[in-house]
Amino acid sequence: SSEVTQDRAVSVALGQTVRITCQGDSLRSYYASWYQQKPGQAPVLVIYGKGNRPSGIPDRFSGSSSGNTASLTITGAQAEDEADYYCNTRGTSGNQLVFGGGTKLTVL
Amino acid sequence: QVQLQQWGAGLLKPSETLSLSCAVYGGSFSGYYWSWIRQPPGRGLEWIGEINHRGSTNYNPSRKSRVSISVDMSKNQFSLKLSSVTAADTAVYYCARVNSGSDLWQGSYYYMDVWGKGTTVTVSS
Repeated sequence: SSEVTQDRAVSVALGQTVRITCQGDSLRSYYASWYQQKPGQAPVLVIYGKGNRPSGIPDRFSGSSSGNTASLTITGAQAEDEADYYCNTRGTSGNQLVFGGGTKLTVL
Repeated sequence: QVQLQQWGAGLLKPSETLSLSCAVYGGSFSGYYWSWIRQPPGRGLEWIGEINHRGSTNYNPSRKSRVSISVDMSKNQFSLKLSSVTAADTAVYYCARVNSGSDLWQGSYYYMDVWGKGTTVTVSS
């Protein structure tokens, strides 16, 4: 089983807000990073550290963390946000990286 | 703008050794870890392992017995070898740069900010 877990699928109405979560004990020690992956493409970093966004990522993407849960929030979801989202963090041992199983976001 | 260019054999037979390389262009090689990640068809991302410029490695414990990651500082390249492949190793393999930071609240954090385009590896007899 994965050290961090995600819901397999989430849906959101166009223009509404959606939160995607990632849970695991290692998140008490390390921030999660979040990746967006569209079919046939490499993952793209969207959030890292304490809610930091790389250049070029829209500000409707935000990140937060509380206890053993990290969250990626999309405020005002757009059709182009439909994708798979993965969280990633250091494992509890500190010497490996772990991915969540991914969340498929559908924008209705 | 850092770019990663990856290459390697795309079709293997069972029991052969997978060999992929990733070259780093446009940025520093030292000061980072460099990772390999794979994604089987229709499935999620799996971290395989990482290496830094000094050759210090970390591996996914579930793959450690078959995986070797090496670095060639003279060429700004790092490589993955996965031995005794089976059909279960069929996947898209990505290389990525592991960046890091820290803050006062939670200490260190790690993120993969530059990715290669991916190499499709198929294992079939």
